[in-house]
Amino acid sequence: EIVLTQSPGTLSLSPGERATLSCRASLSVSSYDLAWYQQKVGQAPRLLIYGASSRATGIPDRFRGSGSGTDFTLTISSLEPEDFAVYYCQHYGSSPYTFGQGTKLEIK
Amino acid sequence: QITLKESGPTLVKPKQTLTLTCIVSGFSLSTKGVSVGWFRQPPGKALEWLALIFWNDDQRYSPSLRTRASITKDTSKNQVVLTMTNMDPVDTGTYYCVHKLDFGVVVGWFHPWGQGILVTVSS
Repeated sequence: EIVLTQSPGTLSLSPGERATLSCRASLSVSSYDLAWYQQKVGQAPRLLIYGASSRATGIPDRFRGSGSGTDFTLTISSLEPEDFAVYYCQHYGSSPYTFGQGTKLEIK
Repeated sequence: QITLKESGPTLVKPKQTLTLTCIVSGFSLSTKGVSVGWFRQPPGKALEWLALIFWNDDQRYSPSLRTRASITKDTSKNQVVLTMTNMDPVDTGTYYCVHKLDFGVVVGWFHPWGQGILVTVSS
């Protein structure tokens, strides 16, 4: 089973700042099999990135995914008020389909 | 447009069996490459994958739930059913069903998600 570890657990930033979220895998992951989700309180997860770096339909270009092997990053170039939420990375290449524990992005 | 919607009881007693139904639209459960998964999220905690059923009825289960969970589908009714036995208060959470589409050798991602259903396990 691939264990995903996200850091930091909480990130406190202001609108307009750049956010960098990390996801580290316990085993090498194909770049094709890594996704990022955004989740707001009371809502279902929303797909942001698939294949480690491809933006899902309708996702603004301020969201950028990168990385390979065991280290992956989600970067939000300039935070908008609606970006403050919890972010999860997920491995979906084969079962079990594991998630990181999440990074909470909060307003400073 | 692909949509999924979960339904079922919102309150179950400990040791009871939970049966959740996912009604899908916008795609067929028999299309090659299609699968539907179930996930859950305890209040304030991370997401957890539970089970997956493929277009050809092949199934996958989380190792932690294998003996308690069962996933089936009825293509004619456009529905996927998750059954979990021996429910416990730690199983309380929001349960989601999600679409997945594999494109030949390319593994697909989970999208979109249903709105979720909050299930509470309490006596």
